[in-house]
Amino acid sequence: DADVTQTPRNRITKTGKRIMLECSQTKGHDRMYWYRQDPGLGLRLIYYSFDVKDINKGEISDGYSVSRQAQAKFSLSLESAIPNQTALYFCATSDSRGSDTQYFGPGTRLTVL
Amino acid sequence: QKEVEQNSGPLSVPEGAIASLNCTYSDRGSQSFFWYRQYSGKSPELIMFIYSNGDKEDGRFTAQLNKASQYVSLLIRDSQPSDSATYLCAVNKGGGSNYKLTFGKGTLLTVNP
Repeated sequence: DADVTQTPRNRITKTGKRIMLECSQTKGHDRMYWYRQDPGLGLRLIYYSFDVKDINKGEISDGYSVSRQAQAKFSLSLESAIPNQTALYFCATSDSRGSDTQYFGPGTRLTVL
Repeated sequence: QKEVEQNSGPLSVPEGAIASLNCTYSDRGSQSFFWYRQYSGKSPELIMFIYSNGDKEDGRFTAQLNKASQYVSLLIRDSQPSDSATYLCAVNKGGGSNYKLTFGKGTLLTVNP
């Protein structure tokens, strides 16, 4: 089984809908991250969490919210989806007790019509 | 100046040649440096990381770091068509609560049979 899983893997939705993307990990890592990737713009950090009670905004948090339900689960929500949120979304995890190297989930391809 | 810069490519090399990928960064306080490989539509996979000036080798891959010049590179020896991918450079500015990565936009490498 994969260490970092994301659901759904693909999602098509309409403008104005609320969407939740979920990330789970079995690596036992304490830190979790949400990124989006757009062609020509690279990976950009949306939110990150260093533990269950620690949530931080990244460089592009507007229009997004997150919830760290447990050490192993980190969800990203789009409260009212808009077309420019169409992108590939990645969850990542790292272990602050080790090298803090980030390991990525398989990604969710989100299309907002 | 962008925080992490990479030549977008494409960089094209023949099979068996050495591929050289370059990355510069703007923050002199940066402490650790990562190279990821990303196949089209897939998630980034860690190749290696480097913290200290000099070279670090892992199989066919060598990372080179020069903090004085704010430059990090990745050499791929005996390039194979399966190495064709986008290579992402990522830089970590510091430890503790500031520990998060800034990614370059990536260099597309094509290895021709």
